[in-house]
Amino acid sequence: EVQLVESGGGLVQPGGSLRISCAASGFTFDDFAMHWVRQVPGKGLEWVSGINWNGERIAYADSVKGRFTISRDNGKNSLDLQMNRLRPEDMAFYYCVKAKGIAVGLSAFDIWGQGTRVTVSS
Amino acid sequence: EIVLTQSPGTLSLSPGERATLSCRASQSLDSSYLAWYQQKPDHSPRLLIYGASSRASGIPDRFSGSGSGTDFTLTISSLEPEDFAVYYCQQCARSPYSFGQGTKLE
Repeated sequence: EVQLVESGGGLVQPGGSLRISCAASGFTFDDFAMHWVRQVPGKGLEWVSGINWNGERIAYADSVKGRFTISRDNGKNSLDLQMNRLRPEDMAFYYCVKAKGIAVGLSAFDIWGQGTRVTVSS
Repeated sequence: EIVLTQSPGTLSLSPGERATLSCRASQSLDSSYLAWYQQKPDHSPRLLIYGASSRASGIPDRFSGSGSGTDFTLTISSLEPEDFAVYYCQQCARSPYSFGQGTKLE
C-alpha cells in the first residue's frame, strides 16, 4: 500500500524552529518528486515547497523562502521540512505529498499524507 | 506567479444533478499541467484529474475535466451523495505551484 506518514508537528513559539518529517512506503521513493502543502483549518491549500527525485532541484513559496528548508533521504525513504523563524501565519496542517513525476514541477500530486499539525503560539 | 480563480465559491445542487466547476488561470497554461482535487471534511485532498482531462486511478467516470489556455472545467455528470465536498484546481507548470481557492459543492 502506498503510504505517506507525517510526524513532528506540535506547538512552537513565534520565532522558534520545528522539523517535520514524512516516512514513505509502498513505492520507489527515489523515482518521484515530493512536496509539502499546508492548510489552515477551514481554509484553502497552499503549496509550500518541492524537491525533485535526487534533491538537486528545490523550490519554495515566497512566504517561506529563507526560513524553511526541504530535504530528502532516498536511502531512508524520508522527506523533511526544517522550519525556522516560525510565524503565527505558518500555523497549519502540513501535508507530505508525492508527485506523479521525477521533476519538482510538471506533474500533479497523486498521494497525500494525513497531515501533521503545526501550532505557532506563545 | 499564476493565480487560479475558481467559480462559483459555493455550488448548491442535489444528487443526480450535473455539476460544473470552473477554474480560470491568470495566464495561459499548458493543459498538461492543470489538476483537480477533491477534499472531504477531516480528510486529505485526493487527486481526481491531471493533465486537465485524465482521470486519476480509481476515479469514477462521472468525473471529467476539460479546457485549455486559461479556462478549465471539472464536470460531475450525475452527483452521488459522496461527491459533496470541496474541489480545488492546481497548476504544476511553474513555481509557485498554486491552487485555486476552492469550490464547495453542497
